Amino acid sequence: GQQLNQSPQSMFIQEGEDVSMNCTSSSIFNTWLWYKQEPGEGPVLLIALYKAGELTSNGRLTAQFGITRKDSFLNISASIPSDVGIYFCAGERSGSARQLTFGSGTQLTVLP
Amino acid sequence: NAGVTQTPKFQVLKTGQSMTLQCAQDMNHNSMYWYRQDPGMGLRLIYYSASEGTTDKGEVPNGYNVSRLNKREFSLRLESAAPSQTSVYFCASSQRGPREQYFGPGTRLTVT
Repeated sequence: GQQLNQSPQSMFIQEGEDVSMNCTSSSIFNTWLWYKQEPGEGPVLLIALYKAGELTSNGRLTAQFGITRKDSFLNISASIPSDVGIYFCAGERSGSARQLTFGSGTQLTVLP
Repeated sequence: NAGVTQTPKFQVLKTGQSMTLQCAQDMNHNSMYWYRQDPGMGLRLIYYSASEGTTDKGEVPNGYNVSRLNKREFSLRLESAAPSQTSVYFCASSQRGPREQYFGPGTRLTVT
């Protein structure tokens, strides 16, 4: 079953604001990935993290692999309307036999 | 490059009917995956194929079968559709194990 707790479930923010979301688990993960899904489309990979403590940026997006290997964070700076979508975390759990576990997603709405 | 393509985009079935969802990738990836996505939930793995000629069960395999036809193509079959299989189905591929998966646009299936 679901082993990743992603929060918040939804966010309504003003354009220009910064956004933070996170995923936590009781299990250890070897890899953390962040995806964005827009309506009617498949998820698109935003950032991949491979080492505990790693901090990686992709434009206005920054993600971190938690030092305990049980969590990850995604920050979006200076949000714009095209940031709207559902953001999913996913992880490759230690001993997971080549499978990813997905969080339930954070629905982001950016208000003008 | 088209990336990952899926057919059909939409399908309505009656309970008990069968159908095959098609997936193809042109990125020369070794691994391919089938997921289902239900409202308010993350993606759940149905089956995967780590390499051509191999397939393995994921988290929710009951009621489904798969075929890795060749390196490019991975199909998902519903032998006797049930209303509980109403969902959006995504195919994905990756070069190196479960990391950095690239998703198709999805098939929206309704079983009445």
